[in-house]
Amino acid sequence: VQLLESGGGLVQPGGSLRVSCAASGFTFTNYAMNWVRQAPGKGLEWVSVIRDSGDSTYYADSVKGRFTISRDNSKNTVYLQMNNLRVEDTAVYYCAKWSLAAAGAFGYFEYWGQGTLVTVSS
Amino acid sequence: NFMLTQPHSVSDFPGRTATISCTRSSGSIASTYVQWYQQRPGSAPTTLIYENNQRPSGVPDRFSGSIDRSSNSASLTISGLKTDDEADYYCQSYDINNHAWVFGGGTKLTV
Repeated sequence: VQLLESGGGLVQPGGSLRVSCAASGFTFTNYAMNWVRQAPGKGLEWVSVIRDSGDSTYYADSVKGRFTISRDNSKNTVYLQMNNLRVEDTAVYYCAKWSLAAAGAFGYFEYWGQGTLVTVSS
Repeated sequence: NFMLTQPHSVSDFPGRTATISCTRSSGSIASTYVQWYQQRPGSAPTTLIYENNQRPSGVPDRFSGSIDRSSNSASLTISGLKTDDEADYYCQSYDINNHAWVFGGGTKLTV
């Protein structure tokens, strides 16, 4: 299993950025995918999840209304579109494969990518 | 919403047994499964324990998980400590009411 994030960088407050995660080594269409972030020197924070089919998504309260998760099953890629970025969104963003098709009370974050750093600063 | 509280740090000597706790602030610890993740410095997290006490293939049986309803907490126990076990450890569970995944603040283990 490989999860390769890309698209991170420096963006000004109020700006937008899209990060991507290219997956390989498993049947992408059978699993839910997540984004989890980690601010510098801080702990892990779950951000968003999308189920295998892409027709169900959930978000942390801290990003609801600003971030959008999507996936392209033909490209084995999951995306996180981040709008109206804030300084407190600065973090390494990890893509994480869920162990089941739909994320909920069952399953766990089975595999993690190496992350991509998003820095929000003027 | 609930929080998962972990000790900031734990330390012990090689060969000893360390235990890291994870206390749920509201609702029963048994209501949803608890997972544990290890994050070595500069690396991505990896899964140690899922569904309270299950180990993914490849995780040594020195790592074990449990829950205690009386203290409303989960525990990760690492026996036969090795210097290679030095890392941050995170517990995680699922908030049914808010359809959200909650992480503890993390515990730094020093061996």
